[in-house]
Amino acid sequence: QAQLAQSGAEVKKPGSSVKVSCQASGGSLSTYSIDWVRQAPGQGLEWVGAIIPMFSKVTYAQKFLGRVIIATDDSTKTTSMDLNRVTSEDTAVYYCARHPFEVRDGKYYYSGMDVWGKGTTVTVSS
Amino acid sequence: SYELTQPPSVSVSPGQTATITCSGDALPKQYVYWYQQRPGQAPVLLIFKDSERPSGIPERFSGSSSGTRATLTISGVQAEDEAAYYCQSPDTGGTYWVFGGGTKLTVL
Repeated sequence: QAQLAQSGAEVKKPGSSVKVSCQASGGSLSTYSIDWVRQAPGQGLEWVGAIIPMFSKVTYAQKFLGRVIIATDDSTKTTSMDLNRVTSEDTAVYYCARHPFEVRDGKYYYSGMDVWGKGTTVTVSS
Repeated sequence: SYELTQPPSVSVSPGQTATITCSGDALPKQYVYWYQQRPGQAPVLLIFKDSERPSGIPERFSGSSSGTRATLTISGVQAEDEAAYYCQSPDTGGTYWVFGGGTKLTVL
């Protein structure tokens, strides 16, 4: 059974960077993207971006362009999300999720984010 | 930017049917996905590709989509269904994923 293990909680100063990792086990990454979703306290879910390890293809939400980097280490099945120049508005729980897909006629057909990590709490405070 | 609109809250008595809607301009061309999130827990996938249910999800959860509106229906609501529910769909170009604002389901 596939599982995603996330790194531990972080406390950061405004203006610094935070890196959250997500290690997959028990399943293949070949036909999945790994997506990052965050949830600020008392708020809803917000998509940050995703990477398809098989193609090394990365997509970021426009809101985070230039401030986030998502990468994958195939040898350890670990995906990481680096968020730079953090502010108090980045205080949130960050989740990684497995997002399987199939490709037909050049289009991607996703099956929903079916496996989630437990979440990593990132607190930004001076 | 693209938005999906959900009602903030829905209340229903046990055994009744709960209906949660999700509206978005791109829905006629894009699939909708639904997630359940209980407090302090990660989301759980309930419905994918408008109406398909992953294995292990009870049959009382069903989804549909028509035009610019998608609907999650919970038949025979149970106390354990009290949670937040989120719809999700790609934007018009299919590049970016968007979540609705979430609907808090209260079981009276």
